[in-house]
Amino acid sequence: AQTVTQSQPEMSVQEAETVTLSCTYDTSESDYYLFWYKQPPSRQMILVIRQEAYKQQNATENRFSVNFQKAAKSFSLKISDSQLGDAAMYFCAYPVYGNKLVFGAGTILRVKS
Amino acid sequence: DVKVTQSSRYLVKRTGEKVFLECVQDMDHENMFWYRQDPGLGLRLIYFSYDVKMKEKGDIPEGYSVSREKKERFSLILESASTNQTSMYLCASSVTRYEQYFGPGTRLTVT
Repeated sequence: AQTVTQSQPEMSVQEAETVTLSCTYDTSESDYYLFWYKQPPSRQMILVIRQEAYKQQNATENRFSVNFQKAAKSFSLKISDSQLGDAAMYFCAYPVYGNKLVFGAGTILRVKS
Repeated sequence: DVKVTQSSRYLVKRTGEKVFLECVQDMDHENMFWYRQDPGLGLRLIYFSYDVKMKEKGDIPEGYSVSREKKERFSLILESASTNQTSMYLCASSVTRYEQYFGPGTRLTVT
């Protein structure tokens, strides 16, 4: 069965510092997408960043970037210059059977001022 | 922007009641999904639909049913609510294998 593992239930970071959230997954597919979602305390889940597995270049969206290691099936999220608004639950996910998403258990990120 | 709305943010029901959770998306997406979210378990797929009147079971369909009579609307039905169905319910929609867009969630409490 396809699985997604987020090994850090909680992380803390000082404002303006950098933090990396880990994610590993298990798939036999060669072409797929990977996603990081953010769920702030208000609960609306929003997409942070998307990586296409066939692209070797790591995706970047402003202060958010990924470290995609296809052979190791690792997909970590780096947040640079952390802000108070980054405090949220972060989920790693990837699609299976065409359209369904499998999610990790999530990592709570706390940002200290 | 894609908008996914859910009928209630908070809902309190009694054991044995029939419960309807409604979800509407405005972007003509083919796929719609219902998840429940519980601490430490992430999001688990209950049911999904890839077309009107089509539905498929997800990972935890027991105790739930769904209805999709129109493309934009996907309803989750708890036939006889039980306390172990107290949870956060999230609806989402998508086009093919691209990212899913989520609604704000419904916090359901069954007493």
